[in-house]
Amino acid sequence: AQKITQTQPGMFVQEKEAVTLDCTYDTSDQSYGLFWYKQPSSGEMIFLIYQGSYDEQNATEGRYSLNFQKARKSANLVISASQLGDSAMYFCAMNAGGTSYGKLTFGQGTILTVHP
Amino acid sequence: DAGVTQSPTHLIKTRGQHVTLRCSPISGHKSVSWYQQVLGQGPQFIFQYYEKEERGRGNFPDRFSARQFPNYSSELNVNALLLGDSALYLCASSHSQGRSPLHFGNGTRLTVT
Repeated sequence: AQKITQTQPGMFVQEKEAVTLDCTYDTSDQSYGLFWYKQPSSGEMIFLIYQGSYDEQNATEGRYSLNFQKARKSANLVISASQLGDSAMYFCAMNAGGTSYGKLTFGQGTILTVHP
Repeated sequence: DAGVTQSPTHLIKTRGQHVTLRCSPISGHKSVSWYQQVLGQGPQFIFQYYEKEERGRGNFPDRFSARQFPNYSSELNVNALLLGDSALYLCASSHSQGRSPLHFGNGTRLTVT
């Protein structure tokens, strides 16, 4: 079984500053994938970034980067130069065991608020 | 290209009734997954279908069922609705079973009274 833990119920950041959202995971599988999704108040889940367990480089997508520390089983999301539109719920998720990527285990989420 | 579309967007049902939720995946996507998101929590996996076959089922009672059609669209059915079934139901599609991320629809918000 897989488990995702997001320990920050809420985070606040000033516009244009960087912010790190924490995520730790637990799995006994060697092959797994880690995802971050953004969920605005509208409800849609927006894919942000993906990291495979065998990827040697940390994933980056524009202002998003994933700080992957395999030994610590952590996959923190770093958002640089925060914008007001970044205010949303953020979910860390994983897939493991060589199963389809259609089955994700999600964490509880972190609400990010960006202040002007 | 159109994203994942779900219908209806909102639904109000009474306890004991039955509901059918519909999902159309992104064109070319053959995998469809369903998730239940209760207010304040992360989504919980319900079903996954790939090439019209069930490929995974989460820890949900038999009141929940789903199917995928030849055009890869999907339906989620819930029988004998309970108050606890009130949630946002999300459908997601992906291109294959490989390293492609899930693309989610806007969801159907179900309220059971």
